[in-house]
Amino acid sequence: GAGVSQSPRYKVAKRGQDVALRCDPISGHVSLFWYQQALGQGPEFLTYFQNEAQLDKSGLPSDRFFAERPEGSVSTLKIQRTQQEDSAVYLCASSSVPGPNNYGYTFGSGTRLTVV
Amino acid sequence: LAKTTQPISMDSYEGQEVNITCSHNNIATNDYITWYQQFPSQGPRFIIQGYKTKVTNEVASLFIPADRKSSTLSLPRVSLSDTAVYYCLVGDGVTGGGNKLTFGTGTQLKVEL
Repeated sequence: GAGVSQSPRYKVAKRGQDVALRCDPISGHVSLFWYQQALGQGPEFLTYFQNEAQLDKSGLPSDRFFAERPEGSVSTLKIQRTQQEDSAVYLCASSSVPGPNNYGYTFGSGTRLTVV
Repeated sequence: LAKTTQPISMDSYEGQEVNITCSHNNIATNDYITWYQQFPSQGPRFIIQGYKTKVTNEVASLFIPADRKSSTLSLPRVSLSDTAVYYCLVGDGVTGGGNKLTFGTGTQLKVEL
């Protein structure tokens, strides 16, 4: 597709429920990132994939968060046993090249997760 | 990680030039300076990137002094549609394993008639 597509656009989960958020990056983009954005704050890094390899997951806030990109294209961010503090917008971004100093990332519109 | 400091908010009127300054005192030698724009309910959008001196594209200009400890995003003749949050970012210089973009809280620009 022309841009980064994320689904669902909105998700309401009951506390304790598991959720899965999907990201379809731009076709051929090797780098894929997940960010979490709380209300009124800037996005915060969660994890980074280069193709199918998860090279950095240092931003994942707990072991309830898990991300995968098995075939190097679509990625899924899974949150187990959701808590209210997980309520945020989850943004996915992709880039055509790997490595440092490449900041021309394309972001999706995000998934707004509300945990009740 | 190199940190940035920018004003929380700015107000302007249509047709004016807006300059948003960002300070990044501990920027690393191989770090670039990048600005993103974010509208409500959308992801950030890349605006411009530079390393030193001046960079200009169809949207904005970026001015970077020789010491690179600050940068200024210049938006010429803003319109209502430029109302958004603007983020100044610098890289953390990590090699090989990708980059953690550090956004901060950004500058909320409000443009009025």
